[in-house]
Amino acid sequence: DTEVTQTPKHLVMGMTNKKSLKCEQHMGHRAMYWYKQKAKKPPELMFVYSYEKLSINESVPSRFSPECPNSSLLNLHLHALQPEDSALYLCASSHEERDTQYFGPGTRLTVL
Amino acid sequence: QKEVEQDPGPLSVPEGAIVSLNCTYSNSAFQYFMWYRQYSRKGPELLMYTYSSGNKEDGRFTAQVDKSSKYISLFIRDSQPSDSATYLCAMSSGNQFYFGTGTSLTVIP
Repeated sequence: DTEVTQTPKHLVMGMTNKKSLKCEQHMGHRAMYWYKQKAKKPPELMFVYSYEKLSINESVPSRFSPECPNSSLLNLHLHALQPEDSALYLCASSHEERDTQYFGPGTRLTVL
Repeated sequence: QKEVEQDPGPLSVPEGAIVSLNCTYSNSAFQYFMWYRQYSRKGPELLMYTYSSGNKEDGRFTAQVDKSSKYISLFIRDSQPSDSATYLCAMSSGNQFYFGTGTSLTVIP
């Protein structure tokens, strides 16, 4: 099973809302990632968790708050987002931090 | 200079053609080389990955890595309309992971 699941598939939120994106994998991978992808651009790395600890934070604004409750789950908490944050948010996982990454289908986020 | 360079296309070929997609890179420390396929509004799907120089074949797909030239390729034989997608190369070293910009491919029936 090489599946990474993400919920919800689509999310529309206002600038004052608080919402969360969820990601799950059951491949025993110890590294999990959040990416942001704008149209016709490659994914941009936001956060990396390795062994449930935040390993990399690519200078992401504090309105994005990651959380790794356990080795299978990764959340991204959203608060006070801006319209320019509208994008496809992708979760990925890999066996270890430097290994090949497997991506989920993404959450299409629209901020009004 | 970008870590990974990839021609964005778009590339349009007739069905049955052989497609060649390429990336160049500057960091000789890259060890893992990957090709992802991404359909519109979907997440990237891992197609192939290689660890070293040489060729790796999987069905209609062949990945080629030339570390001496810092050049990787993906060949698609007997291309099908279902191959129409954006193809992203990616490579990693340590905890750094870089994507190319992606090449948009359309296979015309």
